[in-house]
Amino acid sequence: DGGITQSPKYLFRKEGQNVTLSCEQNLNHDAMYWYRQDPGQGLRLIYYSQIVNDFQKGDIAEGYSVSREKKESFPLTVTSAQKNPTAFYLCASSPPGQGPYEQYFGPGTRLTVT
Amino acid sequence: AQKVTQAQTEISVVEKEDVTLDCVYETRDTTYYLFWYKQPPSGELVFLIRRNSFDEQNEISGRYSWNFQKSTSSFNFTITASQVVDSAVYFCALSVLYSSASKIIFGSGTRLSIRP
Repeated sequence: DGGITQSPKYLFRKEGQNVTLSCEQNLNHDAMYWYRQDPGQGLRLIYYSQIVNDFQKGDIAEGYSVSREKKESFPLTVTSAQKNPTAFYLCASSPPGQGPYEQYFGPGTRLTVT
Repeated sequence: AQKVTQAQTEISVVEKEDVTLDCVYETRDTTYYLFWYKQPPSGELVFLIRRNSFDEQNEISGRYSWNFQKSTSSFNFTITASQVVDSAVYFCALSVLYSSASKIIFGSGTRLSIRP
């Protein structure tokens, strides 16, 4: 089945450690996105990528890094520089062509840093 | 700048009641798109509808209907004869045509609880 997978569902880390969240899609979508969601709030864009080997900062990129070496994959690294990393992280992708198109979301990763 | 406001933080109704979720948006662009997403307790956002700024026709899909009014910058969502399975957080969102990467601005969401 086509879709977006994120792993793991729950992730626990100690403060000061970098952690990488996985996002894979088999929808043949060009564009991919990372969002952060905090309790009771909407989604905030961290990074997005339109094509392989290219990505742009979103609204809250500080303390995060990404790579886009393959069309199917867009991993997000939460670095130790991110002051408040505990949150729900959602990955999304959108179809190619003249958008804007709806985005399709993965199941999310809930990161807890203590 | 673009902005989406969902003034209703939480709504609770009894099953079978009709319920309307409000959405007001702000943009200076003449070409834009509006979306509604549903986020059930599992966390994954589910796409419900996309509407462009040139299409003001209301849309109905089963028990769901959407009322788009450019004059008031609103894109409201109504669930008719609500069911417990409709319980979720609903997000309204806005996107303008910058490039092939669709940057979407989300509202803060409305948590809808349907009581049996």
